[in-house]
Amino acid sequence: EAQVTQNPRYLITVTGKKLTVTCSQNMNHEYMSWYRQDPGLGLRQIYYSMNVEVTDKGDVPEGYKVSRKEKRNFPLILESPSPNQTSLYFCASSFRQSPVSRTKQFFGPGTRLTVL
Amino acid sequence: DAKTTQPPSMDCAEGRAANLPCNHSTISGNEYVYWYRQIHSQGPQYIIHGLKNNETNEMASLIITEDRKSSTLILPHATLRDTAVYYCIVRAGQRSGGSNYKLTFGKGTLLTVNP
Repeated sequence: EAQVTQNPRYLITVTGKKLTVTCSQNMNHEYMSWYRQDPGLGLRQIYYSMNVEVTDKGDVPEGYKVSRKEKRNFPLILESPSPNQTSLYFCASSFRQSPVSRTKQFFGPGTRLTVL
Repeated sequence: DAKTTQPPSMDCAEGRAANLPCNHSTISGNEYVYWYRQIHSQGPQYIIHGLKNNETNEMASLIITEDRKSSTLILPHATLRDTAVYYCIVRAGQRSGGSNYKLTFGKGTLLTVNP
């Protein structure tokens, strides 16, 4: 089954404790992206990747890192989480051949992160 | 990308057709209409897209007016599981490679399907 998986689905942590949220897709998609969703603010993009070893900042990259060593995986790293990173996080992927294929994005189930 | 306007909420009876409108009066000739939905706290889900012709897939139908200034997403037999926020977005179909195709959703329409 074609899907984007994220782990963990729920995480409660404390300020400053490094964490990684994994994202994996099995559709051979080139494009992957991380979003956060907060009430009243909608989806905001954190980082994106056009292909292996190619990543770039989205709108709200501060406090986050990413890597794209393999095509299927795009982990999101919080080196020193802070309470303002408490949010619902989504990973998404798509083919990149055309603007239409890039707009047809597949989303993961979400990771709800709470930083105390 | 053209601006879209959707009603904030709609109700529908289970088993009936749900017709969700979207206004995009400033749409340009090469812009597609896409629909997504988000069931509470789940990841957004692509539904359908179209340029000028009506489109149908296993999830829904998309009707685009002849002048392309508005469209309607139709869920032919709504179920309780279709309760979600539905987003209409308009995106250009021709753009040079390398663009970051981040998705930006507006407030969408909260569709509540009632038993």
